[in-house]
Amino acid sequence: GQQLNQSPQSMFIQEGEDVSMNCTSSSIFNTWLWYKQDPGEGPVLLIALYKAGELTSNGRLTAQFGITRKDSFLNISASIPSDVGIYFCAGPGSGGSNYKLTFGKGTLLTVNP
Amino acid sequence: SAVISQKPSRDICQRGTSLTIQCQVDSQVTMMFWYRQQPGQSLTLIATANQGSEATYESGFVIDKFPISRPNLTFSTLTVSNMSPEDSSIYLCSVAAGTGYQPQHFGDGTRLSIL
Repeated sequence: GQQLNQSPQSMFIQEGEDVSMNCTSSSIFNTWLWYKQDPGEGPVLLIALYKAGELTSNGRLTAQFGITRKDSFLNISASIPSDVGIYFCAGPGSGGSNYKLTFGKGTLLTVNP
Repeated sequence: SAVISQKPSRDICQRGTSLTIQCQVDSQVTMMFWYRQQPGQSLTLIATANQGSEATYESGFVIDKFPISRPNLTFSTLTVSNMSPEDSSIYLCSVAAGTGYQPQHFGDGTRLSIL
């Protein structure tokens, strides 16, 4: 099946620093999704990317759909304590149902005030 | 996006028992899904809940263990049957609305512990 390799596995940063995480796939993805999960809650959609090369921002968050369609990255600028959580990349891939999502293993972000 | 409510939010159950988890959406949605998130792990799709027909299960998940119902476009249930400690996980409902591809949105999950 499709696999997503997400890195880094965890990050410990100081408030105000910028953060970058990425996701690579063994196969082509038609859509890239980035979710954040806070403790005790379900994942919340941050950014959805639909076209190769697309660069999309949501406040301090910026994500890009790689030109090869096999990778994506998420940047967070000027991190704040509420950015703490687990960030997941996900995508439906190009095979089978467009609705079935494969998730990366997540990046655990800790922000030190 | 749709408001998704899951019940119960958490439960502690005895080995060998079954628990039914409910997922209620405040608007009609095309697709509903059930995921499992084992402790410290990512999300794994259990099945797609199909309205008025049998759910479509992913490899490694079977109907006898995880029976699913979806009687209408706003409601679904997942039953975890004959539970063992290995079933201790977060179970999440997600929905995708509208025609064409739409991103999935998740409920807050049901945290299940089996003693």
